[in-house]
Amino acid sequence: DAKTTQPNSMESNEEEPVHLPCNHSTISGTDYIHWYRQLPSQGPEYVIHGLTSNVNNRMASLAIAEDRKSSTLILHRATLRDAAVYYCILRPRRDDKIIFGKGTRLHILP
Amino acid sequence: GAVVSQHPSWVICKSGTSVKIECRSLDFQATTMFWYRQFPKQSLMLMATSNEGSKATYEQGVEKDKFLINHASLTLSTLTVTSAHPEDSSFYICSARDQLGPLGNQPQHFGDGTRLSIL
Repeated sequence: DAKTTQPNSMESNEEEPVHLPCNHSTISGTDYIHWYRQLPSQGPEYVIHGLTSNVNNRMASLAIAEDRKSSTLILHRATLRDAAVYYCILRPRRDDKIIFGKGTRLHILP
Repeated sequence: GAVVSQHPSWVICKSGTSVKIECRSLDFQATTMFWYRQFPKQSLMLMATSNEGSKATYEQGVEKDKFLINHASLTLSTLTVTSAHPEDSSFYICSARDQLGPLGNQPQHFGDGTRLSIL
């Protein structure tokens, strides 16, 4: 399975933008880049996904490098409710499994 | 949006008891569902893939006789922890995706998890 590398933890101030990086240098041409987050005591929650182009939705934006070897999840205005563990995951086009890495624990400071 | 419902949310029982956890897709059909286990301060660990109408596929190191999986319909998968012991205490989470649509380009939807405590 193609692997991703994320910082163990990050901190951000409330109401400021947050950029969460992810490296995936061994990504293949058909792998989708997915982001999920897990709030305390809950199951993971889908955030966003993309293949080559940058993507926006109501929760976040996903910026994908031109060579696709890295991506950045952008929370435009962090709130205390965004404190969670964020997982960057590569999903092959032909495989339904999601294998979780350690993710990035995001702390939001009031 | 798509919702996966898991029941019960938490369960406490005595050692030696068997415990069944249900995972339902509420507004979509899923030929495949997944079961995860998560210990405190650790990431989710994939236990098995539940396949509608056929046997589950277990990840290496997961005892299939200990963790029985049944996927009898396109909206329901169950995980039964047989003869549970304290070391089976954990947070169990299921997931599924809408079967319509290409693999990889569909989000996975997760249940809210079941916290199992074996005394």
